[in-house]
Amino acid sequence: AQSVTQLDSHVSVSEGTPVLLRCNYSSSYSPSLFWYVQHPNKGLQLLLKYTSAATLVKGINGFEAEFKKSETSFHLTKPSAHMSDAAEYFCVVSSMDTGRRALTFGSGTRLQVQP
Amino acid sequence: AAGVIQSPRHLIKEKRETATLKCYPIPRHDTVYWYQQGPGQDPQFLISFYEKMQSDKGSIPDRFSAQQFSDYHSELNMSSLELGDSALYFCASSTTADSVEYFGPGTRLTVT
Repeated sequence: AQSVTQLDSHVSVSEGTPVLLRCNYSSSYSPSLFWYVQHPNKGLQLLLKYTSAATLVKGINGFEAEFKKSETSFHLTKPSAHMSDAAEYFCVVSSMDTGRRALTFGSGTRLQVQP
Repeated sequence: AAGVIQSPRHLIKEKRETATLKCYPIPRHDTVYWYQQGPGQDPQFLISFYEKMQSDKGSIPDRFSAQQFSDYHSELNMSSLELGDSALYFCASSTTADSVEYFGPGTRLTVT
């Protein structure tokens, strides 16, 4: 079985300050990990993915995430927040449990960016 | 680049009516997934198809059915609609060579 825990339901930062969105996962098989972003009333956009290559993954819009197997974490970071980053962020795990690929979403973290 | 296309984008139905949502995957993608996202909720996996065969099943109600056609587009059929079916329905597609699912813009279904 696999699961994802996003440790913060809401994060508020000031524009220009660093962003940290925390995610822990559980998977009995080698997982692939993703971060998706959803702006209000919009679809899901892929930010970045980890698929057992480099542990530090760079994504779009200046975001990056580090896969830490020992901590079962995949936290999302950005050095400097922009107003346009305000959105809902989902950490997602995919693994071949039972031989079928299953995608499991975390409960989401709403990022607010204050001017 | 081409993306996943969903139609309609918005749909309003009354209780006990039926609805059909359509999904056109990215060209050459062989797998289609359907998700339901309730208000303030994370997306929940409903069902998936690989090469026109059902490949996995999640929390899809018996009132719902889906299929994938020879041109790889997929349709989600929903009958006896209930107020609780009001949600955003996403379709995603992928290839077996890539574990990434690319999502469409979603269909917002409102049941009144």
